[in-house]
Amino acid sequence: AQKITQTQPGMFVQEKEAVTLDCTYDTSDQSYGLFWYKQPSSGEMIFLIYQGSYDEQNATEGRYSLNFQKARKSANLVISASQLGDSAMYFCAMRFPQGGGGADGLTFGKGTHLIIQP
Amino acid sequence: NAGVTQTPKFQVLKTGQSMTLQCAQDMNHEYMSWYRQDPGMGLRLIHYSVGAGITDQGEVPNGYNVSRSTTEDFPLRLLSAAPSQTSVYFCASSYSGQGSLEQYFGPGTRLTVT
Repeated sequence: AQKITQTQPGMFVQEKEAVTLDCTYDTSDQSYGLFWYKQPSSGEMIFLIYQGSYDEQNATEGRYSLNFQKARKSANLVISASQLGDSAMYFCAMRFPQGGGGADGLTFGKGTHLIIQP
Repeated sequence: NAGVTQTPKFQVLKTGQSMTLQCAQDMNHEYMSWYRQDPGMGLRLIHYSVGAGITDQGEVPNGYNVSRSTTEDFPLRLLSAAPSQTSVYFCASSYSGQGSLEQYFGPGTRLTVT
């Protein structure tokens, strides 16, 4: 069964520092996708970044980058130059096949609560 | 586009009551799904649909029913609510289940069962 592990329940970081949020995954599939979502205190789920298992380059989206190490099954999120508005819950998720119809679902980790301090 | 909309935003039910959580999307997405989020947990997949008339179970389907009569709508029904179903419910959609790059989430429905 697929599993996502986020080992950091909470993190405190000084504003403007870089942040690395850890994510490891377990799957026997060769084709999968990895996502990071941000959930601020208002509750909505905000898509940040995606990495496909066959992508050779690490994904980047503005201040977000994904440090993808396939052999170690890790997909850490790096936030450069953190801002106060980055304070939120961050979830790592993996897309995996569902049933025989070719559909996908997402398996989520338990999240990391990131607090940026001024 | 409104994206993914969910109603109601908040709901309180008594044990044994039934209700339907509504979800609609205006992006012509084929794939829609329901998740629940409990404290200290990530989201868990309840049911999903790959198109109108096709639904299937996710990780935690017990106590929930779904149907998909149109591409736009994917309601989630609680037939007999239980306190264990107190949670925040998210609906999500994407262009296609397989190969999708992003699932768009609705704002969530906070349900309390007393």
